[in-house]
Amino acid sequence: QITLKESGPTLVKPTQTLTLTCTFSGFSLSTSGVGVGWIRQPPGKALEWLALIYWDDDKRYSPSLKSRLTITKDTSKNQVVLTMTNMDPVDTATYYCAHIYWDTVVPNWYFDLWGRGTLVTVSS
Amino acid sequence: QSVLTQPPSASGTPGQRVTISCSGSSSNIGSNYVYWYQQLPGTAPKLLIYRNNQRPSGVPDRFSGSKSGTSASLAISGLRSEDEADYYCAAWDDSLSGFWVFGGGTKLTVL
Repeated sequence: QITLKESGPTLVKPTQTLTLTCTFSGFSLSTSGVGVGWIRQPPGKALEWLALIYWDDDKRYSPSLKSRLTITKDTSKNQVVLTMTNMDPVDTATYYCAHIYWDTVVPNWYFDLWGRGTLVTVSS
Repeated sequence: QSVLTQPPSASGTPGQRVTISCSGSSSNIGSNYVYWYQQLPGTAPKLLIYRNNQRPSGVPDRFSGSKSGTSASLAISGLRSEDEADYYCAAWDDSLSGFWVFGGGTKLTVL
C-alpha cells in the first residue's frame, strides 16, 4: 500500500525559503520507473504542478517557477524534499506530493496517488 | 490562467449524464495522454481516468473519458449526489523541457 505524507511549516514570512518534505511508504525511489511530484493549490483555486523527480535523479520543474524551486530525494529515508525560495503571499496554498506511476502497457507516467496535502500560509 | 481550459461549472440532476470538456493544444493534449482527477470537498485529488479513457480499479464505469485532437471530455452518467466535486484534467506538455499542465477545474453540482 502506497502512502505519502507532506510535512513542513504552516506559516512562513515573505522572502523566506520554504522547505517541504514528502515521506512515503510502499515503494522505493531506487526502483526503475518510479517518481514523486509536487503540486500546489491556492485556496479556492486550481491545481498547479511544481516539480518532479524520478528514480534516476532526473528532475523537471515548472517553467514559471524553475528559478525558485529545488527538488531532491533521499532514497534511504524514503523522502523527497522541495525547497521554494523567496516566498510571497501569493504562494499561500495547499502543497501536495504525489506518486508517479510508470505505465508500462503504453509507456507514460502520471500521478496516481496523492498525499493529503499541507497548507502553507505566507504572511508577515 | 491555466494552460488547459475547462468550464468553471457544470450541473445535473440525479440520473442525468453530464460532460466536462478540456481544451488544450498540440503540445499537450494533442500529443500526450489526458488524465482526470476528482477532488471531493476538503480532500486530495483522486485519479479518475488515465491514458485518455482508462479507469483505475475501483472507479465506477459511470465515469468515462475521451479525447479528440486537442480536446478531451469526461462524461459522468447516472449522476449521483456523491459525484458533486471539482474535476481537473491534466496532461504532459512537450514544450520547453516538458512540464505537467492542469485545467482550471470544473465544479460539478448535483441539483
